Amino acid sequence: NAGVTQTPKFRILKIGQSMTLQCTQDMNHNYMYWYRQDPGMGLKLIYYSVGAGITDKGEVPNGYNVSRSTTEDFPLRLELAAPSQTSVYFCASSYARVWQFFGPGTRLTVL
Amino acid sequence: GENVEQHPSTLSVQEGDSAVIKCTYSDSASNYFPWYKQELGKGPQLIIDIRSNVGEKKDQRIAVTLNKTAKHFSLHITETQPEDSAVYFCAASSGGGADGLTFGKGTHLIIQP
Repeated sequence: NAGVTQTPKFRILKIGQSMTLQCTQDMNHNYMYWYRQDPGMGLKLIYYSVGAGITDKGEVPNGYNVSRSTTEDFPLRLELAAPSQTSVYFCASSYARVWQFFGPGTRLTVL
Repeated sequence: GENVEQHPSTLSVQEGDSAVIKCTYSDSASNYFPWYKQELGKGPQLIIDIRSNVGEKKDQRIAVTLNKTAKHFSLHITETQPEDSAVYFCAASSGGGADGLTFGKGTHLIIQP
């Protein structure tokens, strides 16, 4: 099993550009999550999904969108990138609400 | 919502000594408390967790204790080794629902040779 994979590893965006961060898991987990991690801070929840077709907002959803068309994939969309979205983004998945497994992260810089 | 405070932000110990990291939480409905280890450039890795119906859990050199009355929980690492150097995060999850974890700000553990 590859576990949770994320692409790209690094990305630099200009203000106003858009992009999609990809997340795929091969553990057949129902639950998937997106977090962002800012320097010296813990992780903050952006969006989560309890299964295909179902998504919900977390603590910091503004400026982001998600979709969950399959069990395996949970992409995160940034429509109009802003410097405040410079961060490291982590995707996670779990079978139940506990035991979250994290991907390696995507480091995003918005200039 | 839930708020998790974590202390200290940096902890330096001699190799072989013990390390203790403490967290407090605000939501009495929280019932799941995992600890994650994050090495540089990697995603967090679950190392141990505890549920609210248990007071202590141990796995080799790592143990976690939970005091529900005081709403705090702690990570204990004994016989520390150089590979224990990393950032450690505590987290809490409120009862019910499927929302994610609320994390502390992390503790940078440094093992001095």
